[in-house]
Amino acid sequence: EAGVAQSPRYKIIEKRQSVAFWCNPISGHATLYWYQQILGQGPKLLIQFQNNGVVDDSQLPKDRFSAERLKGVDSTLKIQPAKLEDSAVYLCASRRTGTAYNEQFFGPGTRLTVL
Amino acid sequence: QKEVEQDPGPLSVPEGAIVSLNCTYSNSAFQYFMWYRQYSRKGPELLMYTYSSGNKEDGRFTAQVDKSSKYISLFIRDSQPSDSATYLCAMKVQGAQKLVFGQGTRLTINP
Repeated sequence: EAGVAQSPRYKIIEKRQSVAFWCNPISGHATLYWYQQILGQGPKLLIQFQNNGVVDDSQLPKDRFSAERLKGVDSTLKIQPAKLEDSAVYLCASRRTGTAYNEQFFGPGTRLTVL
Repeated sequence: QKEVEQDPGPLSVPEGAIVSLNCTYSNSAFQYFMWYRQYSRKGPELLMYTYSSGNKEDGRFTAQVDKSSKYISLFIRDSQPSDSATYLCAMKVQGAQKLVFGQGTRLTINP
């Protein structure tokens, strides 16, 4: 079974520029998550999708961050415009419906540096 | 106060030592407790999970949950250099899908 794929792996931009990250979850996983992991911290949930609907986006800074999962498979996370404090690793995770303990499978992440 | 507190370390021990990693939490509604391992420049991977209180053993790893103290632990026996990683505790409320992560403890096992 292929894992969660993310691209790009690394991205360096200047503040006020825009950036987009792509995620392809494990086949058949209905739930998809985007996390932000700042250096030295644990992952923080930004948004959760169930198929192509948003379940939780309470911690997504909606003035600059947006995410979509149009066909219930791939997802894109966008930042526009980026700020210095957005420098972090952006992790995508997916989960198969039906596991009570909520095992999430993570991708390798996209490391964003905002200069 | 954060919902989940975890000492970030770093923690450095010699090979073969017993390692103890811990988290405390404030939300008494948490019922599922997980430990994720994250190697450098990789995503976290689930190591162990426990439901409610008690112990769970898997090879060299033992997870303990003490709900009365709101305290969870992960023990690693006969630690190996390949165990060097950041260990994240995570918790969730029954019926919810959202995981709340600790800060992570960076562990180094020295040969």
